[in-house]
Amino acid sequence: GENVEQHPSTLSVQEGDSAVIKCTYSDSASNYFPWYKQELGKRPQLIIDIRSNVGEKKDQRIAVTLNKTAKHFSLHITETQPEDSAVYFCAASPPGQNFVFGPGTRLSVLP
Amino acid sequence: ETGVTQTPRHLVMGMTNKKSLKCEQHLGHNAMYWYKQSAKKPLELMFVYNFKEQTENNSVPSRFSPECPNSSHLFLHLHTLQPEDSALYLCASSQDAVRWGPQTIFGSGTQLSVL
Repeated sequence: GENVEQHPSTLSVQEGDSAVIKCTYSDSASNYFPWYKQELGKRPQLIIDIRSNVGEKKDQRIAVTLNKTAKHFSLHITETQPEDSAVYFCAASPPGQNFVFGPGTRLSVLP
Repeated sequence: ETGVTQTPRHLVMGMTNKKSLKCEQHLGHNAMYWYKQSAKKPLELMFVYNFKEQTENNSVPSRFSPECPNSSHLFLHLHTLQPEDSALYLCASSQDAVRWGPQTIFGSGTQLSVL
């Protein structure tokens, strides 16, 4: 089955700097890759997703890149702000199957 | 609120108790899920229901018993739990469980403590 790894497990950046979180997946058939943000005490919320027919997707300060050959995808956050502090989860979904989540990355944006 | 409501928000129970978690959505979704979130295994899928039929059970112990009476409601019945079952239990829903690229919406979760 699918296996998703995520690095780093914790990340601290200065406000205004960029943050990058990387995930790798094992099942080359996976074709949908969402990213969820979970603030302390709150539910995971979808922030961006990408499908396998696209290499990059942007939404304001957030972007996701996908390398199907290497089977990895990354979340990029530019101009980080304190409210970006949260746990971020990546996931991979083979066709017709449910998400497999990565273990999460705790991002801290320092003022 | 995102449309997926879970009750109760917090639950403390003894190992001999029987309790139930409830999840409700009125998003018109046909798939509902139970996830367990703990420090050791974040976002661990437990059960999947698609059009009221259970389609996945990820080797979950029988002390957890799901019930899906209709596409809008999902329950997780708990009995004879162990302290290691203490975790945040998240419900989620999506349009369906087999369509490519479903967007999953999570509830706020029930924080369960087993004493």
